[in-house]
Amino acid sequence: QVVLRQWGAGLLKPSETLSLTCAVYGESFSGYYWTWIRQPPGKGLEWIGEINHSGSTNYNPSLKSRVTISVDTSKNQFSLKLRSVSAADAAVYYCARKVAVRPFDYWGQGTLVTVSS
Amino acid sequence: DIQMTQSPSSLSASVGDRVTITCRASQGIRNDLGWYQQKPGKAPKRLIYAAVTLQSGVPSRFSGSGSGTEFTLTISSLQPEDFATYYCLQHNTYPPTFGPGTTVDIK
Repeated sequence: QVVLRQWGAGLLKPSETLSLTCAVYGESFSGYYWTWIRQPPGKGLEWIGEINHSGSTNYNPSLKSRVTISVDTSKNQFSLKLRSVSAADAAVYYCARKVAVRPFDYWGQGTLVTVSS
Repeated sequence: DIQMTQSPSSLSASVGDRVTITCRASQGIRNDLGWYQQKPGKAPKRLIYAAVTLQSGVPSRFSGSGSGTEFTLTISSLQPEDFATYYCLQHNTYPPTFGPGTTVDIK
């Protein structure tokens, strides 16, 4: 059984850096893309970006200038950093697994990130 | 980016009703489409992938159809646990994009 468990700071001030980590249990880390997706309160889902086990990344152009996704294969973990956050970045952030033609079959539990001065 | 639209944005239905949700893509995406169900406070759950393939463990009352630019999700007989928000997702072209969602609530 594949389990994704995520954690990170839930309250940030404007201009700070959001930092979240997702750990993968019960499955090989290689052969997949590992993804971050966010959902502002009461709104829809937005794909942020993804990384594979070798560190190859793809980012949403709308966030690319502020986002870094990294991987630690020794721990089966991947991480998200989003710089210079504002109120517009307040959302529930999810990690998820992508299989090439069958994306987002397993999801983390979600982390609510609030941005407030 | 490929824009995804869904209709209706919300609907009210009764247990046992047949429900159909439509998703349209702004350009052709072959069959690179998934359907997800989300309940309040929970992560989305995948129901359908490759437009028509039922995810293992998902009840057979859920079905998907379509290709190209128009897709449908059908629930043949709505059950109490099906009241939720449904999203389509295209992954044909980067960035992957979701539809705005369709909320199914109790009539």
